[in-house]
Amino acid sequence: EDQVTQSPEALRLQEGESSSLNCSYTVSGLRGLFWYRQDPGKGPEFLFTLYSAGEEKEKERLKATLTKKESFLHITAPKPEDSATYLCAVKAGTASKLTFGTGTRLQVTL
Amino acid sequence: DAGVIQSPRHEVTEMGQEVTLRCKPISGHNSLFWYRQTMMRGLELLIYFNNNVPIDDSGMPEDRFSAKMPNASFSTLKIQPSEPRDSAVYFCASSFNSQETQYFGPGTRLLVL
Repeated sequence: EDQVTQSPEALRLQEGESSSLNCSYTVSGLRGLFWYRQDPGKGPEFLFTLYSAGEEKEKERLKATLTKKESFLHITAPKPEDSATYLCAVKAGTASKLTFGTGTRLQVTL
Repeated sequence: DAGVIQSPRHEVTEMGQEVTLRCKPISGHNSLFWYRQTMMRGLELLIYFNNNVPIDDSGMPEDRFSAKMPNASFSTLKIQPSEPRDSAVYFCASSFNSQETQYFGPGTRLLVL
């Protein structure tokens, strides 16, 4: 069974304090690893897809990386508007479904 | 462009009542997914459709849950009878095909009393 574990559960940063969120996975035949951002009361918003180890993608202050066992979401010089829950999900084998982790709640304070 | 549209946004009902959740996928997308989100279990897939046909319903909790997709622009998730443990946020997502990125709607927050 596919498993996705995210850490930490919650993270509090000061504005400008860079950090990383972790997503470790156990799947058979990874076909894609997805990062989403979810604001309170809203649906998950797509950020990135990574397909193979060594791949990296960037968007503004966010950078996602992928190894054979885990993915990191690096947040550089975060701002309060980056506060949200960040979800990691995998697609594996022949399945079309996404298997989600439980997310990391990020709070960025002034 | 309109994203995935879900209705109602909030639903409060009493145990035993029938609940119907509705979803309009992004135009041109031919795959539609229903997820449920709870604090305890996070986001879990209930069922997905490809070209209006149910492909995988292994996540549907029990016979009280049913889903239909009568055409490419509309899907329903029905719970009958509803129970308090069904309280959760239900999300609909769509993608261009079953292998592409899934885009989520705003969700329906369901409370069963």
